[in-house]
Amino acid sequence: AQTVTQSQPEMSVQEAETVTLSCTYDTSENNYYLFWYKQPPSRQMILVIRQEAYKQQNATENRFSVNFQKAAKSFSLKISDSQLGDTAMYFCAFSNYQLIWGAGTKLIIKP
Amino acid sequence: DSGVTQTPKHLITATGQRVTLRCSPRSGDLSVYWYQQSLDQGLQFLIQYYNGEERAKGNILERFSAQQFPDLHSELNLSSLELGDSALYFCASSPSGLALNEQYFGPGTRLTVT
Repeated sequence: AQTVTQSQPEMSVQEAETVTLSCTYDTSENNYYLFWYKQPPSRQMILVIRQEAYKQQNATENRFSVNFQKAAKSFSLKISDSQLGDTAMYFCAFSNYQLIWGAGTKLIIKP
Repeated sequence: DSGVTQTPKHLITATGQRVTLRCSPRSGDLSVYWYQQSLDQGLQFLIQYYNGEERAKGNILERFSAQQFPDLHSELNLSSLELGDSALYFCASSPSGLALNEQYFGPGTRLTVT
């Protein structure tokens, strides 16, 4: 069965610091997508970044970047220059034929 | 704004009642997904519809049902409601029937069962 594991239930960092959220997954598939979603206190689910498994280059969206290690089945999210507005739950998701979700990491950015 | 709309935003009802949640996908998207999120929990996938047909089923209770109409909007029906059904219900849409595409989420319907 395909699973997604986020081993950090909660993290907190100071504003402007860099933080990395971990995600590992288990699959025997070769073609899949990976996503990070953000859920701020408003509870809206927002797509942060996506990575296609066949692409070796790590995806980047402004201050958000991923470290995709296909062999290790690892997909971490790095947030640079963190801002107060980055405070949210972050969910990692694996997609093949269905979207499989991790349990989430609560990230708190302190002023 | 994701382009996915959900109504109502909030719903308060009593145990044993029946409610209907509505979702309109982004223009051009054929798939609709329903999720349940209880307080401080992750997302539980309920069901997916693609172009009017049920495509995948997750942890959906027998008291719950859904459908997708010819105009592609979808409704989730929850009946014989229990206190434990109180949750945030999300609808998401994607262009195709495969989950390879990212899903775009609506703002959710917050259901409170008293």
